[in-house]
Amino acid sequence: QKEVEQNSGPLSVPEGAIASLNCTYSDRGSQSFFWYRQYSGKSPELIMFIYSNGDKEDGRFTAQLNKASQYVSLLIRDSQPSDSATYLCAATQGGKLIFGQGTELSVKP
Amino acid sequence: GAVVSQHPSWVICKSGTSVKIECRSLDFQATTMFWYRQFPKQSLMLMATSNEGSKATYEQGVEKDKFLINHASLTLSTLTVTSAHPEDSSFYICSAYHGERPYNEQFFGPGTRLTVL
Repeated sequence: QKEVEQNSGPLSVPEGAIASLNCTYSDRGSQSFFWYRQYSGKSPELIMFIYSNGDKEDGRFTAQLNKASQYVSLLIRDSQPSDSATYLCAATQGGKLIFGQGTELSVKP
Repeated sequence: GAVVSQHPSWVICKSGTSVKIECRSLDFQATTMFWYRQFPKQSLMLMATSNEGSKATYEQGVEKDKFLINHASLTLSTLTVTSAHPEDSSFYICSAYHGERPYNEQFFGPGTRLTVL
């Protein structure tokens, strides 16, 4: 059983729409959760992290955490073609980061 | 701040040779660095955790004699792929744990693409 799971996609949304990315994790001991964006051939870049239940907003991005349901999500408002990338969800586990398989997002002009 | 560099950014080598990849934290001290490998269309897989001044901790299934890790200083960790073979061709990414940042935030290097012919 995978420890962090994401829908692999691809997820396609029109420009200006809201993109919703989801992630579940199996280890209830995980305390912090991260969303990374990775462009093809590049290293992941951190978008945001969340550690408390509820919502956390940063510009066009909102992360949501529900520890009871072991669920993390990322909403991207006003999606732009430049947001087209693979989005990786990661959870801490024993000082390490465990990554999901990533969701490929395509924003169509 | 919190910049991590890797060198080289890409390397092509012949089968059977060894390749060394460097990972440096440029503006902070990193007591812990991590090495990941990523195959095409797959996620990052943690290979090992590197602690300054001590032996690296390898993940299950990663050959410690093939992937030699040395974390000799607080700003430098190296990964040596010994006797490389075509199946070792991959994207190798390091990250550094910034001890002064909360919540186990890791900063990633730009990656090294290894191609073994």
